[in-house]
Amino acid sequence: SQQGEEDPQALSIQEGENATMNCSYKTSINNLQWYRQNSGRGLVHLILIRSNEREKHSGRLRVTLDTSKKSSSLLITASRAADTASYFCAVAAAGNKLTFGGGTRVLVKP
Amino acid sequence: DADVTQTPRNRITKTGKRIMLECSQTKGHDRMYWYRQDPGLGLRLIYYSFDVKDINKGEISDGYSVSRQAQAKFSLSLESAIPNQTALYFCATAGTSGRETQYFGPGTRLLVL
Repeated sequence: SQQGEEDPQALSIQEGENATMNCSYKTSINNLQWYRQNSGRGLVHLILIRSNEREKHSGRLRVTLDTSKKSSSLLITASRAADTASYFCAVAAAGNKLTFGGGTRVLVKP
Repeated sequence: DADVTQTPRNRITKTGKRIMLECSQTKGHDRMYWYRQDPGLGLRLIYYSFDVKDINKGEISDGYSVSRQAQAKFSLSLESAIPNQTALYFCATAGTSGRETQYFGPGTRLLVL
């Protein structure tokens, strides 16, 4: 079974709004990563947060990690049409094996 | 040039045929991975390799085999393709620190008739 589970499965927002998606996992992790996938293309790494970190920023992205609740969130601020994509969380256990969630499909309407 | 390349990008084959998907990387990474993605779902790990002499099964290895011909090359084979192997296949690489991100190829879209 997939360790990372995203919520919601789909999200539709207007350009300029913020988009928030959540990821829950089941076991201890080394780090948690977020990836973006444009339709039918390869995944692109967005941000990595280590198990001893609680919050991380990269441009318009903000990621939080709560290891006590085994959950993470990805916030995209001031969304743009180009942010339309699927977003996946992936949890890294020993050996850098990643386990991916089912993804959140984000549609940003102009 | 792309750091991680996959060939072919698209393939249609028939049930029972043998097919090989190839992955090459110029990132100098030791770790390479093969995933499959089904529509609307996340990626599932098929096989992974931490160096040329190391091959490990992933979550869904049945029906697949791999070969690590060199540090830069990692091939995935379907010995006898079946329709439920129709999917999008991704190769990925990672460095050796054990905590680094993975870099994905563009994917191979496979249709098994």
